[in-house]
Amino acid sequence: GAGVSQSPSNKVTEKGKDVELRCDPISGHTALYWYRQSLGQGLEFLIYFQGNSAPDKSGLPSDRFSAERTGGSVSTLTIQRTQQEDSAVYLCASSSAYGQAEAFFGQGTRLTVV
Amino acid sequence: DAKTTQPPSMDCAEGRAANLPCNHSTISGNEYVYWYRQIHSQGPQYIIHGLKNNETNEMASLIITEDRKSSTLILPHATLRDTAVYYCIVRVAYNQGGKLIFGQGTELSVKP
Repeated sequence: GAGVSQSPSNKVTEKGKDVELRCDPISGHTALYWYRQSLGQGLEFLIYFQGNSAPDKSGLPSDRFSAERTGGSVSTLTIQRTQQEDSAVYLCASSSAYGQAEAFFGQGTRLTVV
Repeated sequence: DAKTTQPPSMDCAEGRAANLPCNHSTISGNEYVYWYRQIHSQGPQYIIHGLKNNETNEMASLIITEDRKSSTLILPHATLRDTAVYYCIVRVAYNQGGKLIFGQGTELSVKP
């Protein structure tokens, strides 16, 4: 596809379950970001993959959160033992390798923990 | 990355210019100024960026002060569809490890 694709678009899960959120970046983009946006709040940075470098995980809120990027393309954000406060829209973005490249965002995955 | 300060909200009349200010007094010499906006229920959208010169594209103009401590995003003829939250971000270039950190932004309401 032409843009960043995220799946699923909506996910309802029970408290304590694990969830996986997927992001397909724009082909050829080497930088990939994950953000979280709670209702009425700004974007909270979670993790940043930059080419072959070690990811910047400084925004992950707890060890229940992890992300990986396979083959430099698709990324999966995993939340273990979900809590109600994890309910939010999770946004993924990608950008190309050039110096000041703009980031393109997906439409997000709305996660609801009940 | 340096922090930015923006007013939480602004109003603008339809058809008028919207001037959105941003303070980034601690910006470093190698940091760029970026503007993104987020329309309700959508992912953020890139608008424009600059280093020290003023920039213009089909969406907006970016005016950066000579000392680079502040900037203004100008939407020359605001429409109702420009109602959104506007984020001002400073970051180093991607190839220097720069990442996008969003603040609280300015909620712009364009009114008829």
